[in-house]
Amino acid sequence: EAQVTQNPRYLITVTGKKLTVTCSQNMNHEYMSWYRQDPGLGLRQIYYSMNVEVTDKGDVPEGYKVSRKEKRNFPLILESPSPNQTSLYFCASSSGQPNTGELFFGEGSRLTVL
Amino acid sequence: DQQVKQNSPSLSVQEGRISILNCDYTNSMFDYFLWYKKYPAEGPTFLISISSIKDKNEDGRFTVFLNKSAKHLSLHIVPSQPGDSAVYFCAASPGGYQKVTFGTGTKLQVIP
Repeated sequence: EAQVTQNPRYLITVTGKKLTVTCSQNMNHEYMSWYRQDPGLGLRQIYYSMNVEVTDKGDVPEGYKVSRKEKRNFPLILESPSPNQTSLYFCASSSGQPNTGELFFGEGSRLTVL
Repeated sequence: DQQVKQNSPSLSVQEGRISILNCDYTNSMFDYFLWYKKYPAEGPTFLISISSIKDKNEDGRFTVFLNKSAKHLSLHIVPSQPGDSAVYFCAASPGGYQKVTFGTGTKLQVIP
């Protein structure tokens, strides 16, 4: 089954404790991206990757890091989480051929930073 | 700067009637426009798209209209069903590997 898998789905952590949200897709997609969803703000892009070892900032990259060492994986790293990073996070991927923007999303990871 | 705007946070419609969800954009470089549907506790799923060379695209009960001169698109759902109750996001992209920009979403409630 084609899917984008995120882990963990739910996490409560404390300020400053490094954490990683993993994302894996089994569709051999070149393009992957992270979004956060906040009330009244919709989905905002954090980082995206056009291919292995190619990443770029989205609209709200501050406080986040990503890496793309393998095509299927695109982890989101919060080096020192803060309460304003409490949010619902979505990973997404796209074939990019042709790229009409159609994205396949994971089920989301709800993060709470105390 | 919100490049994709959905000015109606919510919409209620009777079952069987038409639902019209609206979206405005400001970036003239956008070439592809998409609608995503999101149920609670799930990720958004792609619904329908339209490229800038068209002004209408239809898929079953869903039709998207694009008015490039007004920088406006709309999603029509006819007839509306209770299972259509969800949050609908409008999105736009210049195409290629460029990023997709989302609106803030409209919560549709279809009343049986």
